[in-house]
Amino acid sequence: AQSVSQHNHHVILSEAASLELGCNYSYGGTVNLFWYVQYPGQHLQLLLKYFSGDPLVKGIKGFEAEFIKSKFSFNLRKPSVQWSDTAEYFCAVNAHNAGNMLTFGGGTRLMVKP
Amino acid sequence: DAGVIQSPRHEVTEMGQEVTLRCKPISGHDYLFWYRQTMMRGLELLIYFNNNVPIDDSGMPEDRFSAKMPNASFSTLKIQPSEPRDSAVYFCASSPLPKGNTIYFGEGSWLTVV
Repeated sequence: AQSVSQHNHHVILSEAASLELGCNYSYGGTVNLFWYVQYPGQHLQLLLKYFSGDPLVKGIKGFEAEFIKSKFSFNLRKPSVQWSDTAEYFCAVNAHNAGNMLTFGGGTRLMVKP
Repeated sequence: DAGVIQSPRHEVTEMGQEVTLRCKPISGHDYLFWYRQTMMRGLELLIYFNNNVPIDDSGMPEDRFSAKMPNASFSTLKIQPSEPRDSAVYFCASSPLPKGNTIYFGEGSWLTVV
């Protein structure tokens, strides 16, 4: 069965600091990868996704993620965070033999101090 | 276009009562998902449907939980009887195509069982 690990449960940064959130998955086959964001009191929204092609994926709001197949990783990055990036971030994986099931990581709560 | 619509947005109920959560997926989406989000367990897939048929309900925690999709535009998640440990945010989501296509989430139903 596929699983997703987000090792950082809580991250606190000051504005303008750089961000990298780790995501590792366990599945040896072909996968689709996603990052979702949940702002306080709101629903999950898609930040970016990787299906194939260029492993460096650009998303909304200046976020990007890099798929490194050899490391089974899909880390999320942003060069300079803003206070409005305070949210919970979820990595998710869909394995090609798992139908349409998304497996989510446990989430990382990011707090950006103004 | 309207997104995934869930109701109620918030519900507080007493232990032992029946709870019914409702979802209207995005028109034309063939896949519908129910997720539960808690602090302890993060985001979990409870069940998903394809063309109104339940495909995988292995995430449904107990027999107290049941889900139905009588037609393409409506689904319910029912808890009977409810318990305090069922307190969580329940998200409904829908997707147009299989194999990891983007999943669109509703705003969630915040359930508190006292």
